[in-house]
Amino acid sequence: EAGVVQSPRYKIIEKKQPVAFWCNPISGHNTLYWYLQNLGQGPELLIRYENEEAVDDSQLPKDRFSAERLKGVDSTLKIQPAELGDSAVYLCASSLGALANNEQFFGPGTRLTVL
Amino acid sequence: AQSVTQPDIHITVSEGASLELRCNYSYGATPYLFWYVQSPGQGLQLLLKYFSGDTLVQGIKGFEAEFKRSQSSFNLRKPSVHWSDAAEYFCAVGRINEKLTFGTGTRLTIIP
Repeated sequence: EAGVVQSPRYKIIEKKQPVAFWCNPISGHNTLYWYLQNLGQGPELLIRYENEEAVDDSQLPKDRFSAERLKGVDSTLKIQPAELGDSAVYLCASSLGALANNEQFFGPGTRLTVL
Repeated sequence: AQSVTQPDIHITVSEGASLELRCNYSYGATPYLFWYVQSPGQGLQLLLKYFSGDTLVQGIKGFEAEFKRSQSSFNLRKPSVHWSDAAEYFCAVGRINEKLTFGTGTRLTIIP
């Protein structure tokens, strides 16, 4: 069974440029998460989807970040414009449901460097 | 607000030695508790979880963790580490329909 797929794995951009990350969750997983992981820190939730609905986006900086999951399967996270402080690893995870006893499966992440 | 503390940023252990990674949490009620491992360039993998019942939980790769309510702790242990255990370890807490809160992680180095 394929795991959570993320692309690209690495991205280097200059500040003020836009960037997008893509995630394809495990087949059949209705819940999809985007996390931000700064260097030396644990992951922090940015947004959680139940199918195509964003049910928790309270930590998403909406002035520059946006996300979509149009058909309730794969998802895209966008930053426009990127700032130096956005350099981090962006992790995608999926689970069968949102209950805490449903294991979250993580992708390898996209490492973003903003110059 | 919930929080997770992993007091050890970096631990070095000899191969074959025992391991204990500490995790303390602050939460309004007994949360669900998790340990994840992250190898370089990889996503996080669940090692074990505690929801209720037996306070000693067995996980994958020979790891176990013990929930101690009186100490608000959920420490991870392994009796004999292998070189392949070198990684970053994260403790996390959560409840039903609440997000997971992760600790800052403990980096484990194994020396021959």
